[in-house]
Amino acid sequence: NAGVTQTPKFRILKIGQSMTLQCTQDMNHNYMYWYRQDPGMGLKLIYYSVGAGITDKGEVPNGYNVSRSTTEDFPLRLELAAPSQTSVYFCASSWGQGLNTEAFFGQGTRLTVV
Amino acid sequence: GNSVTQMEGPVTLSEEAFLTINCTYTATGYPSLFWYVQYPGEGLQLLLKATKADDKGSNKGFEATYRKETTSFHLEKGSVQVSDSAVYFCALENTGNQFYFGTGTSLTVIP
Repeated sequence: NAGVTQTPKFRILKIGQSMTLQCTQDMNHNYMYWYRQDPGMGLKLIYYSVGAGITDKGEVPNGYNVSRSTTEDFPLRLELAAPSQTSVYFCASSWGQGLNTEAFFGQGTRLTVV
Repeated sequence: GNSVTQMEGPVTLSEEAFLTINCTYTATGYPSLFWYVQYPGEGLQLLLKATKADDKGSNKGFEATYRKETTSFHLEKGSVQVSDSAVYFCALENTGNQFYFGTGTSLTVIP
């Protein structure tokens, strides 16, 4: 019963470095999301995907890229890390429209850019 | 557009006190409404949900009623415990299966 799994849990990056945050789900959900959580700001949607091969921008996509080559995986890429990207990142997934539209979340990745 | 506004925190209560966390929303159409809870160092977990007007979601002693006339989904619990200390997020899901979250309300329950 893994659900949504994110790696790594913690990471420190230097300005200008790049990294990929991994996210995988084993519930066969069509929809996947990446959020960032800043203190006192709630969750902001970065990117989302409605199925393999389809991605779209959310509210705060600048500085990030995503891909969705399989139903299970939805990695988030930071190309040139900046201090403004210091945050906690959450991946989530859901079935889609209908009564069971609950979003399931991973445990988060705490990223610090120095 | 779609948005969620929830009461500012932090909230500090004594054990067995009554809890209300206010949440109002703006949405087109007929959204589903959720309360999520985040314990320290963890991801968000669904606490309860309601999918249509007048529905009441409930779980672990928490309740919230979907009020379309006041566009509200306030969270209540009659007697809080120390273990309820967490951050609570109100959220809505609308057409396109996008979720919109409030800013979160931190609750601390003291013995």
